[in-house]
Amino acid sequence: EAEVAQSPRYKITEKSQAVAFWCDPISGHATLYWYRQILGQGPELLVQFQDESVVDDSQLPKDRFSAERLKGVDSTLKIQPAELGDSAMYLCASSPMAQATGELFFGEGSRLTVL
Amino acid sequence: DQQVKQNSPSLSVQEGRISILNCDYTNSMFDYFLWYKKYPAEGPTFLISISSIKDKNEDGRFTVFLNKSAKHLSLHIVPSQPGDSAVYFCAAIANFGNEKLTFGTGTRLTIIP
Repeated sequence: EAEVAQSPRYKITEKSQAVAFWCDPISGHATLYWYRQILGQGPELLVQFQDESVVDDSQLPKDRFSAERLKGVDSTLKIQPAELGDSAMYLCASSPMAQATGELFFGEGSRLTVL
Repeated sequence: DQQVKQNSPSLSVQEGRISILNCDYTNSMFDYFLWYKKYPAEGPTFLISISSIKDKNEDGRFTVFLNKSAKHLSLHIVPSQPGDSAVYFCAAIANFGNEKLTFGTGTRLTIIP
């Protein structure tokens, strides 16, 4: 069964360092999402791509976060510099198209701890 | 502004009994509602959904009920099994997908053998 691949699974970094997360969506899925889930809260959308274009990045802290999906396939989410409050699970999801019904396929996530 | 609310952070249910998870929402523009299930160290997986034009959707042991006038939905699991122990997220989407998917804070369900 096709899956969304994410790496690394776990990342521990110090405050002010740079971190990057990678996501490979299910083959053929045009829409890719990055979500952040803080412990005790639900996932919150950071950025949505349709192919290589950003559709929604209204909740992305653009002073320190960046995301790209250059060839419309895999994607990278970068944080520079990392802050203590960035400790969270970063989830990538994909769907065949912008899903009217909200059914997304999530990866296993990348857990970030900022010390 | 929490548009999707799950007021019970946790729930424990005896194996074989019914589990009822509740969710309230405030945005009347939501037209599709979903439940996702999440095991530790894994991403959420889609479980079941319901359109705003329906009041019930059933899939095996899982049934979702929607009360639009009360802005309330619930997930019923019967009979509950140990493998159902997970965190359940309620989610909603508006404007036929043109708005982003909004998640609740989750309810941790524990099935007691």
